[in-house]
Amino acid sequence: EPEVTQTPSHQVTQMGQEVILRCVPISNHLYFYWYRQILGQKVEFLVSFYNNEISEKSEIFDDQFSVERPDGSNFTLKIRSTKLEDSAMYFCASSRLSGGATDTQYFGPGTRLTVL
Amino acid sequence: SQKIEQNSEALNIQEGKTATLTCNYTNYSPAYLQWYRQDPGRGPVFLLLIRENEKEKRKERLKVTFDTTLKQSLFHITASQPADSATYLCALESGTGRRALTFGSGTRLQVQP
Repeated sequence: EPEVTQTPSHQVTQMGQEVILRCVPISNHLYFYWYRQILGQKVEFLVSFYNNEISEKSEIFDDQFSVERPDGSNFTLKIRSTKLEDSAMYFCASSRLSGGATDTQYFGPGTRLTVL
Repeated sequence: SQKIEQNSEALNIQEGKTATLTCNYTNYSPAYLQWYRQDPGRGPVFLLLIRENEKEKRKERLKVTFDTTLKQSLFHITASQPADSATYLCALESGTGRRALTFGSGTRLQVQP
């Protein structure tokens, strides 16, 4: 069964450094998402992406964050200058349909980001 | 703003019993609601989606109900097994034309053998 994949599984970085988290969504999916989950807290929406542009973003997704689909298969999240509070699990998700209530988001296994 | 509450942080039951988890929401009328399972250190795994015009949905040992008057969904696992032990998340789509999911804090289910 197709699944969303993410790399790396764990990323450790120094505060102020840039990180790029990578995702390969399910191949026939049209919408892509990033969520994060700080340890012990809820899963939180960051951004959604459709047709090569951001369609929604949350207050968390500030100017330090950016997303890109550099080719036909990858979807990336870049954090330009990491802060301690960016430490979290970052989940990529994708969904197939372009709209309607049957749209289900399928999540990847996550990248654990640790900012020191 | 919309708010989602999963009433129990943790639920312990004996193997073979039915687990019932609750999700309540306020300040919103979602078109659909989803339930996910999350194991420690892993991503959410989709289980069931129920629409506002559906009262009940089933998949194998799972059953979800959706009461838009009470603004509540109940998630049932019948004949529970230790392998069902996980955190179960309720998630709502955020509004007409928006696709972001808003998640509850989850209920951690422990099924004792």
